[in-house]
Amino acid sequence: GEDVEQSLFLSVREGDSSVINCTYTDSSSTYLYWYKQEPGAGLQLLTYIFSNMDMKQDQRLTVLLNKKDKHLSLRIADTQTGDSAIYFCADLSGTYKYIFGTGTRLKVLA
Amino acid sequence: EAGVAQSPRYKIIEKRQSVAFWCNPISGHATLYWYQQILGQGPKLLIQFQNNGVVDDSQLPKDRFSAERLKGVDSTLKIQPAKLEDSAVYLCASSSTGGELFFGEGSRLTVL
Repeated sequence: GEDVEQSLFLSVREGDSSVINCTYTDSSSTYLYWYKQEPGAGLQLLTYIFSNMDMKQDQRLTVLLNKKDKHLSLRIADTQTGDSAIYFCADLSGTYKYIFGTGTRLKVLA
Repeated sequence: EAGVAQSPRYKIIEKRQSVAFWCNPISGHATLYWYQQILGQGPKLLIQFQNNGVVDDSQLPKDRFSAERLKGVDSTLKIQPAKLEDSAVYLCASSSTGGELFFGEGSRLTVL
């Protein structure tokens, strides 16, 4: 079946850029998403990219998609302590089925 | 716009007992999902409804889990009997078909 993989942890200093990576296996992806989860809360959509795009920028967030390698990344510029959370990559297949990665825990050091 | 509502937020039960979780999706959202999130893992899809029909329940442990979506709106997820490994957060999400997925805050289950 489809699979989405992410590295588990990332630690950066406040003001630096963070890059969170994701790989997926689904060949029929239509959209790819990044969600953020803070402690004790549900997931919130941060941004998404359509599968025929290779880059999307949204304020401090930049999403890069390499469809050939099935690799997605999320760059957060000027990372702040409030960005500390778990970030999930998700793949939407043609049957409106969302597959989530294992999540990357981002820790921002002051 | 009201978000996805879930209850209860927390539940502690002993193994072999039963538990039910309720979800009210965003008004007008045809698609409703139940996910299980075990600590340290990503959400795993248990069941997907389109209106009141099941689209995908391939990962639902049907010997102990059941779910229904009455009249294509609210949904209930039941576990009977619970096992220790069912300890997790149960997330409900809804979307208009193919759109953004909106999550509730989740129901945290602890099985002792």
